Amino acid sequence: GEDVEQSLFLSVREGDSSVINCTYTDSSSTYLYWYKQEPGAGLQLLTYIFSNMDMKQDQRLTVLLNKKDKHLSLRIADTQTGDSAIYFCAESIGGGFKTIFGAGTRLFVKA
Amino acid sequence: DAGITQSPRHKVTETGTPVTLRCHQTENHRYMYWYRQDPGHGLRLIHYSYGVKDTDKGEVSDGYSVSRSKTEDFLLTLESATSSQTSVYFCAISEGEKLFFGSGTQLSVL
Repeated sequence: GEDVEQSLFLSVREGDSSVINCTYTDSSSTYLYWYKQEPGAGLQLLTYIFSNMDMKQDQRLTVLLNKKDKHLSLRIADTQTGDSAIYFCAESIGGGFKTIFGAGTRLFVKA
Repeated sequence: DAGITQSPRHKVTETGTPVTLRCHQTENHRYMYWYRQDPGHGLRLIHYSYGVKDTDKGEVSDGYSVSRSKTEDFLLTLESATSSQTSVYFCAISEGEKLFFGSGTQLSVL
């Protein structure tokens, strides 16, 4: 079945770049997403990429998609303490009811 | 925040009691969803709705029922709560391929 996997923890120093990785299994994914969750809050859509794209850049965020390896990454440039959160990778194979989430990567940013 | 309100924000209940969580949206979205979030599992879909009185099961629907009598309200009911249903519950709506979430309900079943 469909599965999305990501590492559980990442620790970086403030000002460094963070790279959060994700692998997925369903090659028919249409969209791939990164959501951010801050303590006590719901998930917030950070960015997303259509499956026919290789890269998407949005200010400090860069998403890379390798369809051959089914690998998605999120790079955060100049990481700040406010970036500390849980980041969820997700794939959609057709509508919100077919969105599969990874377990989340907790990003710690050290000052 | 896509106009999504969940209530209550926190609830503690006892095993065997019924519990209803409410999700209210103000922007007339057709699709609404209930997810639960547990450590190590990410978010898992419980039930979803694609219109008034139109609902379907998700990945982890056992022990849960839903109702949608109005576009703006989607209710999640635990008929007889169990300790395994202790979790954080999120309501969401979709706009195209994107999901937007409420702030969640922390439910503890003792």
